Amino acid sequence: EPEVTQTPSHQVTQMGQEVILRCVPISNHLYFYWYRQILGQKVEFLVSFYNNEISEKSEIFDDQFSVERPDGSNFTLKIRSTKLEDSAMYFCASRGRSYGYTFGSGTRLTVV
Amino acid sequence: AQSVTQLGSHVSVSEGALVLLRCNYSSSVPPYLFWYVQYPNQGLQLLLKYTTGATLVKGINGFEAEFKKSETSFHLTKPSAHMSDAAEYFCAVSPLRGGATNKLIFGTGTLLAVQP
Repeated sequence: EPEVTQTPSHQVTQMGQEVILRCVPISNHLYFYWYRQILGQKVEFLVSFYNNEISEKSEIFDDQFSVERPDGSNFTLKIRSTKLEDSAMYFCASRGRSYGYTFGSGTRLTVV
Repeated sequence: AQSVTQLGSHVSVSEGALVLLRCNYSSSVPPYLFWYVQYPNQGLQLLLKYTTGATLVKGINGFEAEFKKSETSFHLTKPSAHMSDAAEYFCAVSPLRGGATNKLIFGTGTLLAVQP
């Protein structure tokens, strides 16, 4: 069964550093998403991406965040200057024309 | 704004007992509805979804859910709990039926414990 692949599985970074979280969505999917889950809390929507542009973003997705699909296969989330409160599990998801959202296994980001 | 309410942040059942996890949604039009399961330190796995058609939806691992428009509910059930069902369960809605975004909005989750 097709999978969404996320790398790395764990990342530890110092406050103020830039991080890039990587995702390889399912190849024939058209819609791409990033979500995050702070430990013990619910899964929160960050951003959706379609046709090479952001289609919607949440209040969480401020100027410190950006997304790219640089080469038609990878889908990345960049945090420019990480804060302690950015520590969370970040999930990438993709969706085809049906409503089958497939999630990756997540990247656990720890900001120290 | 659309929202999802999961009643009971923790549910404990005995092995072999009925599992009932509650989910109610708030939406001006019936949304698409989903249940996801998350095992410790793992990602989100789709259990089942309702988009159109039959309101009783069967999913993986013996779970099913029924969409009840009049009650704005989508409760998850399993007739007989197994130890391996212990996990966190998230109800989610996709509020739009068109458009490029169709993001998922998640409930706060229900942690299911299964006692031997």
